[in-house]
Amino acid sequence: AQKVTQAQTEISVVEKEDVTLDCVYETRDTTYYLFWYKQPPSGELVFLIRRNSFDEQNEISGRYSWNFQKSTSSFNFTITASQVVDSAVYFCALSGNFGNEKLTFGTGTRLTIIP
Amino acid sequence: EAGVAQSPRYKIIEKRQSVAFWCNPISGHATLYWYQQILGQGPKLLIQFQNNGVVDDSQLPKDRFSAERLKGVDSTLKIQPAKLEDSAVYLCASSLVLLSADNEQFFGPGTRLTVL
Repeated sequence: AQKVTQAQTEISVVEKEDVTLDCVYETRDTTYYLFWYKQPPSGELVFLIRRNSFDEQNEISGRYSWNFQKSTSSFNFTITASQVVDSAVYFCALSGNFGNEKLTFGTGTRLTIIP
Repeated sequence: EAGVAQSPRYKIIEKRQSVAFWCNPISGHATLYWYQQILGQGPKLLIQFQNNGVVDDSQLPKDRFSAERLKGVDSTLKIQPAKLEDSAVYLCASSLVLLSADNEQFFGPGTRLTVL
């Protein structure tokens, strides 16, 4: 069975601070995919990133960066120089491959950026 | 390119009533998913279609929930009769293909259901 744990329920930081959202996963699949989604107050899930299990390179996209460590089964997400528009609920998710594509989500981390 | 469309956006019903939600996926997307998101939780898959066939409905409460995608395009999710614990946001998502590494799912805005 697949499982995603986001231990941080809520985080508040002051604008321009850096913040890291933690994600730990469990799976028996040898090939799997990890995702981060953003859910702003409007409710729509916005795709941020997808990584496959064979690519452990860290990725940076503007103020966003992701640290994938297979050894600790973690896929953490860092926002640098946070902005008020970053306030949202962030979900980490996991899917398998070849017939197991359904997304298993964590419980989410509510991030509040204080102006 | 138009995104995933869902209607209605909001619905309030009393327990034991019936309700239906509609989803139109992104054009050309073969795979369609329905997720249930209870307040404070992550979305949970209810059912997954590949074209008009069901791939996974293991977490669908089949005594009260049903879903169909008759022509392999749009889909309807029904609850009959509704219970208080069905209050949630129902999210529809679609992806281009199944059994592929390119399996990003695109989500619609959701239908927020309140059962009184």
